[in-house]
Amino acid sequence: GNSVTQMEGPVTLSEEAFLTINCTYTATGYPSLFWYVQYPGEGLQLLLKATKADDKGSNKGFEATYRKETTSFHLEKGSVQVSDSAVYFCAGGYNKLIFGAGTRLAVHP
Amino acid sequence: EAGVVQSPRYKIIEKKQPVAFWCNPISGHNTLYWYLQNLGQGPELLIRYENEEAVDDSQLPKDRFSAERLKGVDSTLKIQPAELGDSAVYLCASSLGISETQYFGPGTRLLVL
Repeated sequence: GNSVTQMEGPVTLSEEAFLTINCTYTATGYPSLFWYVQYPGEGLQLLLKATKADDKGSNKGFEATYRKETTSFHLEKGSVQVSDSAVYFCAGGYNKLIFGAGTRLAVHP
Repeated sequence: EAGVVQSPRYKIIEKKQPVAFWCNPISGHNTLYWYLQNLGQGPELLIRYENEEAVDDSQLPKDRFSAERLKGVDSTLKIQPAELGDSAVYLCASSLGISETQYFGPGTRLLVL
């Protein structure tokens, strides 16, 4: 069946450090891929998405490229801020989203 | 534009009691989803509605869980009777249609004692 695997957390970084959170998927065909972010006490917010191979999603300095060859959708940001501290979820699917387990990011001043 | 609205935000009940959660999707969104999120895990789909029809309820534990979306807008998810293992966050999401981007509400955090 379809599945999404993302790197385990927590990830702890200093402010302005480079961020990568790995995500790989297993699916039939090429489903849409998403990154959602969950801030403390809040619901999931869509961060970015890509609907086909080689698409790059970007938002708020975050980027992820849909890599068909490696079935990956890694999340990157060049310079993280304390306000980026949250749990990040990779998800994929057509009409039913399959989520990864989430990666907690903690950014320290 | 208002987002997905859920209530209550928090609920504490004793085991074997019933509980209900309410969701109001984004206006114009025909597709509505209920997800279960256990602590430290990603959400898992319980049920998906296309207008008022439940088109995917394969993951819904039907012995104790039920859901309805009578007029194709608001939806209610019910658990009766609740068990300790039902303690989790229940998320509602909506989208314009099948395969469209899903937008999530803040969730209802349930604690069963």
